[in-house]
Amino acid sequence: AQSVTQLGSHVSVSEGALVLLRCNYSSSVPPYLFWYVQYPNQGLQLLLKYTSAATLVKGINGFEAEFKKSETSFHLTKPSAHMRDAAEYFCAVSDQGGKLIFGQGTELSVKP
Amino acid sequence: DSGVTQTPKHLITATGQRVTLRCSPRSGDLSVYWYQQSLDQGLQFLIQYYNGEERAKGNILERFSAQQFPDLHSELNLSSLELGDSALYFCASSVGTSGREELFFGEGSRLTVL
Repeated sequence: AQSVTQLGSHVSVSEGALVLLRCNYSSSVPPYLFWYVQYPNQGLQLLLKYTSAATLVKGINGFEAEFKKSETSFHLTKPSAHMRDAAEYFCAVSDQGGKLIFGQGTELSVKP
Repeated sequence: DSGVTQTPKHLITATGQRVTLRCSPRSGDLSVYWYQQSLDQGLQFLIQYYNGEERAKGNILERFSAQQFPDLHSELNLSSLELGDSALYFCASSVGTSGREELFFGEGSRLTVL
């Protein structure tokens, strides 16, 4: 069965610092991987997805993620954090039939 | 705006009661998914429908049921409610079922059971 593990339930960075949110996956087949963001009192919004094309995927709001098969990882990064990036971030892997299996989420705090 | 509409946004009810949550998918999307989000369990997949047919089942309790209607809207029915059912329930939709497509999420229905 597919699964993802997000390392760190809370990450705090200073404004302007590098953001690194970690995600490792487990999949019996080549995975499709996603990062979603959830702002307070809102639904989930897609940041980016990997569907077996380029291993470095660029998303919205300056985020990107790199698929590393050897490490079974799909970590999310952003070179410079903004206050507006404070939110909860979810890594997900696609399972049979298109449903997504989500990690536990990482709450990102950005300090001024 | 994702194009997925969920009603009601908030619902407060008592233990033992029954509620129905409604979801209208994005125009053209045939697949509908229901998720439950709680502090202790995170985002849990409940059930998926594709073009009116049940496609996949996750951690959905027997007290819960769902259906997708011919106009593709979906309803999630929760009965004999317990305190632990308090959660945010999300509906999502996608065009197909290949797994490559993005899921579009509604803003959720927040259920509080007192």
